[in-house]
Amino acid sequence: DQQVKQNSPSLSVQEGRISILNCDYTNSMFDYFLWYKKYPAEGPTFLISISSIKDKNEDGRFTVFLNKSAKHLSLHIVPSQPGDSAVYFCAAIAGTSNTGKLIFGQGTTLQVKP
Amino acid sequence: SQTIHQWPATLVQPVGSPLSLECTVEGTSNPNLYWYRQAAGRGLQLLFYSVGIGQISSEVPQNLSASRPQDRQFILSSKKLLLSDSGFYLCAWRIPGQGFTGELFFGEGSRLTVL
Repeated sequence: DQQVKQNSPSLSVQEGRISILNCDYTNSMFDYFLWYKKYPAEGPTFLISISSIKDKNEDGRFTVFLNKSAKHLSLHIVPSQPGDSAVYFCAAIAGTSNTGKLIFGQGTTLQVKP
Repeated sequence: SQTIHQWPATLVQPVGSPLSLECTVEGTSNPNLYWYRQAAGRGLQLLFYSVGIGQISSEVPQNLSASRPQDRQFILSSKKLLLSDSGFYLCAWRIPGQGFTGELFFGEGSRLTVL
């Protein structure tokens, strides 16, 4: 049972344009969402997060949007840069969890072309 | 500052051989610890987590086991590896308590190839 889904395995965009990565979830108990970025042969690093009490969180070039009714979130990168090329994982958790178990999606490989 | 290390970074093992991957965290006490696996073409799958010494929870039935002999040490093991155990294994930690308001911190990962 895939509770967090990233249905696009890959995305290619031109440098300077917007990258939009999508994520869907099924568990209505999830109330905290995170995006991680991963380069090959390295561990993922935290990028940005959003609580379910918000519908938008912005950090520099990165913005995460949350649509609770649709159980959908997206990560916008504007403008995209070649260094953004990586695998992006969406993750979710029930905020009351004291175990800290993050449930990850399958990942989307972003390629930003110069 | 806190750091996490896992080793070995790369491992090639024959089917049926044992496995031991080790992870240690420095600069914090009583962390929550996690083992994730990224299999080829798949996402990050949570394998085990631990909220204290000797406390291990398994998320999926599998050929692997985990142990936490010390507060900041987390070990992933197998007695007999299968081909399907190949993947990129990631150890992670977080500060426990207070609900979840922060991220997991991941180690560098261990690439396991079972032949």
